[in-house]
Amino acid sequence: QKEVEQNSGPLSVPEGAIASLNCTYSDRVSQSFFWYRQYSGKSPELIMSIYSNGDKEDGRFTAQLNKASQYVSLLIRDSQPSDSATYLCAVKSQAGTALIFGKGTTLSVSS
Amino acid sequence: GAVVSQHPSRVICKSGTSVKIECRSLDFQATTMFWYRQFPKQSLMLMATSNEGSKATYEQGVEKDKFLINHASLTLSTLTVTSAHPEDSSFYICSARGPSGDQETQYFGPGTRLLVL
Repeated sequence: QKEVEQNSGPLSVPEGAIASLNCTYSDRVSQSFFWYRQYSGKSPELIMSIYSNGDKEDGRFTAQLNKASQYVSLLIRDSQPSDSATYLCAVKSQAGTALIFGKGTTLSVSS
Repeated sequence: GAVVSQHPSRVICKSGTSVKIECRSLDFQATTMFWYRQFPKQSLMLMATSNEGSKATYEQGVEKDKFLINHASLTLSTLTVTSAHPEDSSFYICSARGPSGDQETQYFGPGTRLLVL
């Protein structure tokens, strides 16, 4: 069974700090990796996608992928209270298939 | 970016009735849409994959006769919860594969909150 694991948290960081969110996946042939943010009562919104090993930066967000270790992470720099949400890691094994989601990590940024 | 809408956003119904939820891709054509369900404090669980013009593919444990999916056009998929019961109360979210050139990404609708009394 394909699984995506995340620490449920909550992860608490002060405003301005770096938040580090981690995710591991079981299917070694996974090709595409996504981070979604979900506010309470809302649907997920895409933050970043990453397909190749290494880092990918977009504004305050950096996604890191290590396929050998089956590990993907999301760093949020200069964390803001508005970043407080649940962050979902999602993995796709093959093109055209559905995403498999982790249970999410709840991030709380205190001002 | 690609926009997906859902209607209604919230519905309350009596046990035993049927409820239809619409999912539309507003500015692109979506040959594939996905239906998820999310219970409180839980992650999204895939219910079925909906392909335009063909029968939906249901995940294990999801009753296809209870959750009817129709994907009759490239911009619309519907989920009908038949004979709803209180245990069907949940947050139903659809997503669509992105447009050409962005098909690895799934874009989510805003969700439909269903409460069955």
